[in-house]
Amino acid sequence: DAGVTQSPTHLIKTRGQQVTLRCSPKSGHDTVSWYQQALGQGPQFIFQYYEEEERQRGNFPDRFSGHQFPNYSSELNVNALLLGDSALYLCASSMLAGGTDTQYFGPGTRLTVL
Amino acid sequence: DQQVKQNSPSLSVQEGRISILNCDYTNSMFDYFLWYKKYPAEGPTFLISISSIKDKNEDGRFTVFLNKSAKHLSLHIVPSQPGDSAVYFCAARKTSYDKVIFGPGTSLSVIP
Repeated sequence: DAGVTQSPTHLIKTRGQQVTLRCSPKSGHDTVSWYQQALGQGPQFIFQYYEEEERQRGNFPDRFSGHQFPNYSSELNVNALLLGDSALYLCASSMLAGGTDTQYFGPGTRLTVL
Repeated sequence: DQQVKQNSPSLSVQEGRISILNCDYTNSMFDYFLWYKKYPAEGPTFLISISSIKDKNEDGRFTVFLNKSAKHLSLHIVPSQPGDSAVYFCAARKTSYDKVIFGPGTSLSVIP
């Protein structure tokens, strides 16, 4: 049973560019959440997708957008990249109908903005 | 404005002894608390949780204690093993379905 997978593993971009990160949830899961983890900090919630809709959102600007596909996989898009967007981006999947929303994390995508 | 605080960035413990990791929170609306463990190059792994109606939850070597009046929780690992060496994140949410708010983490080293 494959866990949560993310691609790519590492990415280097320059300021002003746009980036798309991808996530495939654990089998049987219907909900995907995205987090940003800066160096030395805990993960910060960006947003959560369920039934192809954004269900909750954290304190991130509109440059951060997402999408969920019918197969429950998800994309995170960041426009007009800033140096401060350099971080580990984590995807977590869960099953909202499961009683409690225990989240399973992928290994992350390390984004470096130069 | 950090709602979940872990004031010890690191902790070192001898193998076989007890590890105690502490966490404080500021938002009284939090009703559900979790601990995650993270190894390098891996995503966080769920460890144990507790809801605010309890003051203790135990799972094998791991026990979480919650003191709601003090807005404080702690994770006890007994006995500590070298494989427990990792970064531990305390996290909280308002309901079991709400967004998860993480603390900055505590790096635990268990010395053989």
